[in-house]
Order: sequence, then structure tokens, then C-alpha cells
Amino acid sequence: AQSVTQLDSQVPVFEEAPVELRCNYSSSVSVYLFWYVQYPNQGLQLLLKYLSGSTLVKSINGFEAEFNKSQTSFHLRKPSVHISDTAEYFCAVSVDGATNKLIFGSGTLLAVQP
Amino acid sequence: EPEVTQTPSHQVTQMGQEVILRCVPISNHLYFYWYRQILGQKVEFLVSFYNNEISEKSEIFDDQFSVERPDGSNFTLKIRSTKLEDSAMYFCASSGTSGRYYEQYFGPGTRLTVT
Repeated sequence: AQSVTQLDSQVPVFEEAPVELRCNYSSSVSVYLFWYVQYPNQGLQLLLKYLSGSTLVKSINGFEAEFNKSQTSFHLRKPSVHISDTAEYFCAVSVDGATNKLIFGSGTLLAVQP
Repeated sequence: EPEVTQTPSHQVTQMGQEVILRCVPISNHLYFYWYRQILGQKVEFLVSFYNNEISEKSEIFDDQFSVERPDGSNFTLKIRSTKLEDSAMYFCASSGTSGRYYEQYFGPGTRLTVT
């Protein structure tokens, strides 16, 4: 069975500082990897995904994540955060060839302070 | 840009009552899902639906739950006899236009409060 671990429940950071949100997964088969963002009182929005190909994937708003198969990780990074990045970030995995259900981590609250 | 919609945004019901949560997936999608998020907890998979039948369901999805695609556009989740522990945010998602995997798009959610 697959599982996702987000060790940091909350990450406080000052505006314009870099940030890394950690995600590790466990799976015996190939997986697809995702980061979703949830702004206060809103639904889940896909931030970025790794399906195949280049292990470094980027979003349009400056986030990036790198798939590391040997470390079973998919950490999310941003070199300079803004107040508007304050949100809950969820890492998720899906197994190729199955029903493609998403298995989510427990989430990390990114709290950007001025 | 097409999006998944859900109604109502908030539903309050008494324990033991039946509720129906409604979703309109993206029109050309073929795979449909329900997830829930109890306050302060992770998002959990409930059920997936493809080709007019359940393709997978979780342990949470017991006999009190059912899903239906009554017409070409709606996808519903029915909870027959609600319990206090059913209070959660329920998200609908859809994906895919063919057998190849596509990412899932989520609706804004329905907050269900059982009193």
C-alpha cells in the first residue's frame, strides 16, 4: 500500500525568504506525484505534478518540486515566498494503472509573515 | 476554463437524516471521485466511479454511502443515515478523457455539518 508523509505540520517563514516543504512517499510500484494547495476556505488546486520525464517540475507562480526516486521524496521549494503563498499544501501520490485514487499527506501549513 | 462545481456549499443536517451532495464534473471527463476532509485532518479517498460503476471504494465507504450519475452531467454522493462523525468537507473530483491518466480537478467542496 502507498503512503505519504509530510513531517512538517506548519512552516513559518518571513516574506521573501526561501522555503522547502518536505514530502516522502512509500510505494512498491511506480507512482505519479502531486502537490495541491488549499487557500483558506477554498478547495484543492493542483500546483504541480510529476508524471514522467524530467524530475524537476515547476509551477507558474515560482514553486518547483524534484522527484527523487532513490530517496522517495518530492519536496516542494520556492526561492522567495510572498504573503499570498500562505496556504495549506498537500502532497499526494497516485498509482499507475489502478483507479488513480489520490493518497494525500497530512498537509503542511505555510505561514508567511511580513 | 472548465471547472468542477459542487452544491450546496454548506449543508447542515440532523443525525439520522439523509443527505445528497451534488457535483457537476468537467464535461468531457470520464473518471469521478469523492474525497472527504474532516476538520484538521488529511484528505481521504472515498470512492472512484468509471463507466457507470464504482471502480474502487475505501473502508470509509460503507453501506450508508452510495454514488450515482443520474444523468450525463451530475455525480451525486448520498449518505443515508448521517452520523456526527460524517461532519466533514466533501470534495468531488474528475479526471481523464481516455484510458490515459490525467490529473484530478477538484470542486470547491461541500461542508457537511451533522448536529
